[in-house]
Amino acid sequence: KAGVTQTPRYLIKTRGQQVTLSCSPISGHRSVSWYQQTPGQGLQFLFEYFSETQRNKGNFPGRFSGRQFSNSRSEMNVSTLELGDSALYLCASSFGYNTEAFFGQGTRLTVV
Amino acid sequence: DAKTTQPPSMDCAEGRAANLPCNHSTISGNEYVYWYRQIHSQGPQYIIHGLKNNETNEMASLIITEDRKSSTLILPHATLRDTAVYYCIVRVPMANTDKLIFGTGTRLQVFP
Repeated sequence: KAGVTQTPRYLIKTRGQQVTLSCSPISGHRSVSWYQQTPGQGLQFLFEYFSETQRNKGNFPGRFSGRQFSNSRSEMNVSTLELGDSALYLCASSFGYNTEAFFGQGTRLTVV
Repeated sequence: DAKTTQPPSMDCAEGRAANLPCNHSTISGNEYVYWYRQIHSQGPQYIIHGLKNNETNEMASLIITEDRKSSTLILPHATLRDTAVYYCIVRVPMANTDKLIFGTGTRLQVFP
């Protein structure tokens, strides 16, 4: 079956702009989590959605937001982009009950 | 914060077993040990997990010490494609989250 799909794969944005990233989970998975990966901070948890509700949030500013739709697809949005937001953004999906998570290939965001 | 300690890097000759250690001395009785790996610029890949018994699957074996304070991931016949960063993660099985807290991992270099 199809894996986790993230779009777009690469993105270049200018400081101050906003960006929306998309994640389509594995069919049947209800939990979607987002992570940010940078060389300096490593892999950091952003937030997690289950059945359209955010149930956990990491330590990121309010410029980072997300949502989940009824078909479990999820989007994350970053407003007022800063240079430090340049990172690989990863989405993971799971059934949602402490089961293993499967990651997408990520979206590489570059802010210039 | 991550509850695991791993060596930053290891080397392994192709065809030999790669033994990756992980220290989790503060692990609780109901926490599982998970292993993921990340090949350069790709999303992390689930490898294996266990609670207290040794586990084996088609990718690897997981050996957890009797006191559960440490574990070892074994790749029985390492190939060049196993070159990656390996993450050891402890997780408490909670129904309301699938969040993963990544540490810095071990960079495994498999050489010919």
